[in-house]
Amino acid sequence: QSALTQPASVSGSPGQSITISCSGTTSDVGSYNFVSWYQQHPGKAPKLMIFEGNKRPSAVSDRFSGSKSGKTASLTISGLQAEDEADYYCCSYADRVTVVFGGGTKVTVL
Amino acid sequence: QVQLQEWGAGLLKPSETLSLTCAVYGGSLSGYHWSWIRQPPGKGLEWIGEINDSGTTNYNPSLKSRVTISVDPSRKQFSLNMTSVTAADTATYFCAREKRQWLITHWIDPWGQGTLVSVSS
Repeated sequence: QSALTQPASVSGSPGQSITISCSGTTSDVGSYNFVSWYQQHPGKAPKLMIFEGNKRPSAVSDRFSGSKSGKTASLTISGLQAEDEADYYCCSYADRVTVVFGGGTKVTVL
Repeated sequence: QVQLQEWGAGLLKPSETLSLTCAVYGGSLSGYHWSWIRQPPGKGLEWIGEINDSGTTNYNPSLKSRVTISVDPSRKQFSLNMTSVTAADTATYFCAREKRQWLITHWIDPWGQGTLVSVSS
């Protein structure tokens, strides 16, 4: 069970859009439409931002959106704001009734 | 609104057993699975395992030999035991609620605030 692959860092200026990729295998992302994304600010617990690939909890801004193509899922943040600066983790159900996370991506707002 | 709070010993010596408990407030255990996830300092998240209110468990294969998760529905608590800890087990440990349907995880939310466990001689 290997971690999903995410870029270590992504940056953008306020107002811009950025996309974070999450690459998996046919044992996880490629076979299941249940990728979720979590935002984590320093010293805080992760917060659910996207679930089932492209659904948002009601309290999450519509600037956050998710998608998937093949074995790669993506999180897009539109209209980047200073408060979006955080670490982001993708997560997928995987074979053998397990769960796997990505290595995390640090988002920097320039 | 469901809230989770974990606690347990924060400092262990190598070979000792890690024991943590998580209490669930503001909601029922039924209908959900209850997970443990850890994060080494400065690193990413690792799923440890989960349990439902009936006591059925699933574990990360890489940790399965050392981990036991149990549940006490009457107290709305669930616990993590990890044997033979080493420095590599130093991490912040989070408890969380996991939504599964037909055994497939759909999302994990909310999470407890996390508790730091350090392993050092």
